[in-house]
Amino acid sequence: GDSVTQMEGPVTLSEEAFLTINCTYTATGYPSLFWYVQYPGEGLQLLLKATKADDKGSNKGFEATYRKETTSFHLEKGSVQVSDSAVYFCALSPWGAQKLVFGQGTRLTINP
Amino acid sequence: GAGVSQSPSNKVTEKGKDVELRCDPISGHTALYWYRQSLGQGLEFLIYFQGNSAPDKSGLPSDRFSAERTGGSVSTLTIQRTQQEDSAVYLCASSLRAGVGTGELFFGEGSRLTVL
Repeated sequence: GDSVTQMEGPVTLSEEAFLTINCTYTATGYPSLFWYVQYPGEGLQLLLKATKADDKGSNKGFEATYRKETTSFHLEKGSVQVSDSAVYFCALSPWGAQKLVFGQGTRLTINP
Repeated sequence: GAGVSQSPSNKVTEKGKDVELRCDPISGHTALYWYRQSLGQGLEFLIYFQGNSAPDKSGLPSDRFSAERTGGSVSTLTIQRTQQEDSAVYLCASSLRAGVGTGELFFGEGSRLTVL
């Protein structure tokens, strides 16, 4: 079945470091791909998305590119801030289905 | 408030009791979802409502779980005869229209259920 595998956490970085959180997926057809973020004490919120191969989603300095050949959607940011500390979830929407399939989440902590 | 509202935020119950969790979606959102987040696990899809269509119940883990959505708005997730493995955070989300590939899901803060 459809599934998402995320880089295991927790991840701890210093402020201004480069961030990569790996995400790979298994799906039939042409899924849409997402990154959601959960800040402390808040509900999950959409960070970025890509709906077809080679699309790049971007928001708040984060980027991810839909790579069909490697079935990946890695999240990157060039210079992280303390305020980026949160749990990040990679997700896919199977083609034709009305739901999201989530990865396990990666907890990111940024130290000043 | 403008966001998805869930209640209670925390619920502690004894094994074998029934519990009800409530979700109030964003006004005007036609699609509503329930997910479960267990410790160390990802988010697990439970059920999806879209307008007046029959709900997609394919994610409900057992017949102890049920959900309804009244008047196309508020939804209640009911767990009967709770078990310890039901302990989790139950998340509700809504979206403006069907099709998660195009629409954004807005999540509530969740209801944390602890079964003793």
